[in-house]
Amino acid sequence: DTEVTQTPKHLVMGMTNKKSLKCEQHMGHRAMYWYKQKAKKPPELMFVYSYEKLSINESVPSRFSPECPNSSLLNLHLHALQPEDSALYLCASSHGLAGAGGTQYFGPGTRLTVL
Amino acid sequence: GENVEQHPSTLSVQEGDSAVIKCTYSDSASNYFPWYKQELGKRPQLIIDIRSNVGEKKDQRIAVTLNKTAKHFSLHITETQPEDSAVYFCAAVQDTGRRALTFGSGTRLQVQP
Repeated sequence: DTEVTQTPKHLVMGMTNKKSLKCEQHMGHRAMYWYKQKAKKPPELMFVYSYEKLSINESVPSRFSPECPNSSLLNLHLHALQPEDSALYLCASSHGLAGAGGTQYFGPGTRLTVL
Repeated sequence: GENVEQHPSTLSVQEGDSAVIKCTYSDSASNYFPWYKQELGKRPQLIIDIRSNVGEKKDQRIAVTLNKTAKHFSLHITETQPEDSAVYFCAAVQDTGRRALTFGSGTRLQVQP
């Protein structure tokens, strides 16, 4: 399996809802990433996990809570989001951390709309 | 921290022509430079990458060149086809320190049939 998968594909939620995004890879990669992408902009790094430990948190608001239950899975728990959080949320993985670990492979993303 | 500038923001070419997209980076410690292609509504996909110990890399119609002294790298697409139409992002990263990709702002390439 050479793909990163994400569910759901689309998500609409109210500002008081709690939801989770899921990401999975079976390539044996030990680094996993969450990005947020607004229209016509590059992906913006949110979190990096290396060997299931949080390595980078780009000062993301606490309404976004990442979780890495095992080396193949990455979740992003969402609570009390704002309309400006509407975006494409991309997961990525790589063998190691970027640079030495090389290539990041992206999932198809979850299109999130916050009403 | 690292800063990557990318030009042009939009590029329109005729089918069969060449396209060149340029990026400059600020951190001399950066040593890995991938290029991603993102079609509308799809995921970014790696199309080519280059490490700092190499000056040029080619893969069929796509090539990347790196000038470490000037801190810039470029993507070259020859014999463009309509399916090359997409947004292209350059990125830079280093092996130490933050070790996370810094992306350029993107170039929207349109290939006119």
